[in-house]
Amino acid sequence: EAGVAQSPRYKIIEKRQSVAFWCNPISGHATLYWYQQILGQGPKLLIQFQNNGVVDDSQLPKDRFSAERLKGVDSTLKIQPAKLEDSAVYLCASSLGGSVPDTQYFGPGTRLTVL
Amino acid sequence: AQSVTQLDSQVPVFEEAPVELRCNYSSSVSVYLFWYVQYPNQGLQLLLKYLSGSTLVESINGFEAEFNKSQTSFHLRKPSVHISDTAEYFCAVSVAGTASKLTFGTGTRLQVTL
Repeated sequence: EAGVAQSPRYKIIEKRQSVAFWCNPISGHATLYWYQQILGQGPKLLIQFQNNGVVDDSQLPKDRFSAERLKGVDSTLKIQPAKLEDSAVYLCASSLGGSVPDTQYFGPGTRLTVL
Repeated sequence: AQSVTQLDSQVPVFEEAPVELRCNYSSSVSVYLFWYVQYPNQGLQLLLKYLSGSTLVESINGFEAEFNKSQTSFHLRKPSVHISDTAEYFCAVSVAGTASKLTFGTGTRLQVTL
């Protein structure tokens, strides 16, 4: 069974530029999560989708971050414009979504460096 | 709101020695508890979880954790570690009824040496 795929694995940009990350969840998983993991901290949930609807985006900085999950499968997370403090690893996870609690499966992450 | 505290940022240990990684949580309602492991350059993997029933849960690679409600703890233990256990370990909590939202601790780096 293929795991959660993310791309790119690494990205370096300058502040005020834009960047986008892509995630392909495990086939059949209805729930998709984006986390931000700053160095030395645990992952923090940014947004959670159930199919193509948003379940929780309370910690998403909506002035610069946006995410979508068209057709309830792949998802993209965008930052526009980026700030220095956005340097982090962005993790995508997916789960079946059929019951609570639900085991989340994580992708390898995208390491973003903002200069 | 719930929170998770992992007091030890790093735990150095010799191979074949026992280890305990500490995790405490705070929540006023029922919780589910998880330990995830992150090997170098890899994503997070679920190690074990407590949902209900027996307070002692085990993983397939020899780790175990015990849910202690009175002390609000979920410490991770292994009686004899191996070099391959070197990784970052994250404790996480999910509150019942919050659609599987996980709150993570800051992680503990387990460094096993010969």
